Amino acid sequence: AQKVTQAQTEISVVEKEDVTLDCVYETRDTTYYLFWYKQPPSGELVFLIRRNSFDEQNEISGRYSWNFQKSTSSFNFTITASQVVDSAVYFCALSEANRDDKIIFGKGTRLHILP
Amino acid sequence: DAGVIQSPRHEVTEMGQEVTLRCKPISGHNSLFWYRQTMMRGLELLIYFNNNVPIDDSGMPEDRFSAKMPNASFSTLKIQPSEPRDSAVYFCASSPLGQGHNSPLHFGNGTRLTVT
Repeated sequence: AQKVTQAQTEISVVEKEDVTLDCVYETRDTTYYLFWYKQPPSGELVFLIRRNSFDEQNEISGRYSWNFQKSTSSFNFTITASQVVDSAVYFCALSEANRDDKIIFGKGTRLHILP
Repeated sequence: DAGVIQSPRHEVTEMGQEVTLRCKPISGHNSLFWYRQTMMRGLELLIYFNNNVPIDDSGMPEDRFSAKMPNASFSTLKIQPSEPRDSAVYFCASSPLGQGHNSPLHFGNGTRLTVT
C-alpha cells in the first residue's frame, strides 16, 4: 500500500537559515512518482516538483533543492536562505504508476519563517 | 488559463441540509480529483474521474457523499444530509493526462464548508 510520512508536524526557523523538510514513503511498486506541493496561508495548493522513481538525481531550483534516496525511501526538501514568504504548509505526495494516477499526500509540515 | 474554478468559496449550512460543491477543471484536462482537507486527517482523496468516468471512489466516506461529472467541464460533489463532521476544505484538482501518466495536479482554491 502507498503511504507518505512527514514526521515533522511544525518547524520554525529564523529567516536566512536553511531548513530541510523530511518525507519518507512506502510503496511496493518499482515505478512511482513523488511530488512536493506548497500551501501558503492563502490556502491554495501549488505544485513544486515531480520526480519519477528512476531518476535519483538531486534537483535544484533557486533556493529549493530536493534529495531523492531510494535506499532510504526518502524525498527530502531543503530551502536555503529561507525567507518569510516561504512560510507555508508543505506536502509530500506519492503516486504509483499502476494505481491510475491516484496521488496520496502526507499530513504536511507547517513551516514558520521568523523575521 | 483560468485554472480550476470551484464554487462556492465558502459555504455555511445547518446539519441535515444538502450541500453541492462545484468544480470546473482546466479545459483539456482528462482527470479530475476531489480531496478533503482537515486538520486531523490532512488531504484525503475522495474520488477521481478520468474522461468523466469515476475510476476510484474508495475514499468517499459514506453514502451521504456522491460525485458526478456529467461532462468534461463540470463536476459536483454532493453531501446529503450534511453533518458537522463534514466541515472541511474541499479541493478539486485536474491533471492534463489520463491514466498512468501521474501528472501533477492543478488545484482549485477550495470550498470551505462549515456545517453547524
